[in-house]
Amino acid sequence: EPEVTQTPSHQVTQMGQEVILRCVPISNHLYFYWYRQILGQKVEFLVSFYNNEISEKSEIFDDQFSVERPDGSNFTLKIRSTKLEDSAMYFCANRDRGGTGELFFGEGSRLTVL
Amino acid sequence: QKEVEQDPGPLSVPEGAIVSLNCTYSNSAFQYFMWYRQYSRKGPELLMYTYSSGNKEDGRFTAQVDKSSKYISLFIRDSQPSDSATYLCAVSTDSWGKFQFGAGTQVVVTP
Repeated sequence: EPEVTQTPSHQVTQMGQEVILRCVPISNHLYFYWYRQILGQKVEFLVSFYNNEISEKSEIFDDQFSVERPDGSNFTLKIRSTKLEDSAMYFCANRDRGGTGELFFGEGSRLTVL
Repeated sequence: QKEVEQDPGPLSVPEGAIVSLNCTYSNSAFQYFMWYRQYSRKGPELLMYTYSSGNKEDGRFTAQVDKSSKYISLFIRDSQPSDSATYLCAVSTDSWGKFQFGAGTQVVVTP
């Protein structure tokens, strides 16, 4: 069964450092998302991406965050200058070309900011 | 008012019992409804997907949507200890936009 693959599985970084989280979506999926989940809290929408541009973003997704699809396959989330409160699980998710609505998640990247 | 409300639990049931989970939502424009299972520190795993109102069954799982009441349910029959996890409901207004998640209900199935 096709999978959404995320790397790294866990990253520890110092406050103020840049972090890039990577995702390899299911092939032929066209709608891409990043969500995050702070420990013990609910899954929160960050940003959606379609046709090489952001289609929607939440208020969490401020200027410190950016997304791109640099090579047509990988989908990345960059946090420019990490803060302690950025510590969370970050999930990549995709929906298929037909837009049937099913949203498939990766296993997540755990970010710890010290 | 939160857009999606879900009782956090924990909900403890004996093995073999029926697990009943539900969510309420506030926006009548929501049309896409999903249930996910999430094990600790893992990604959400899609269990059931429903468009608009009605029931959907898949193996031991049944999802129900009542749009008039803005209420969605998930039933797990013949529950197993391996069903112990957090169950998340998620709703969306369209087939390409964001999903909004409930806080999740922790389920514990005891042998």
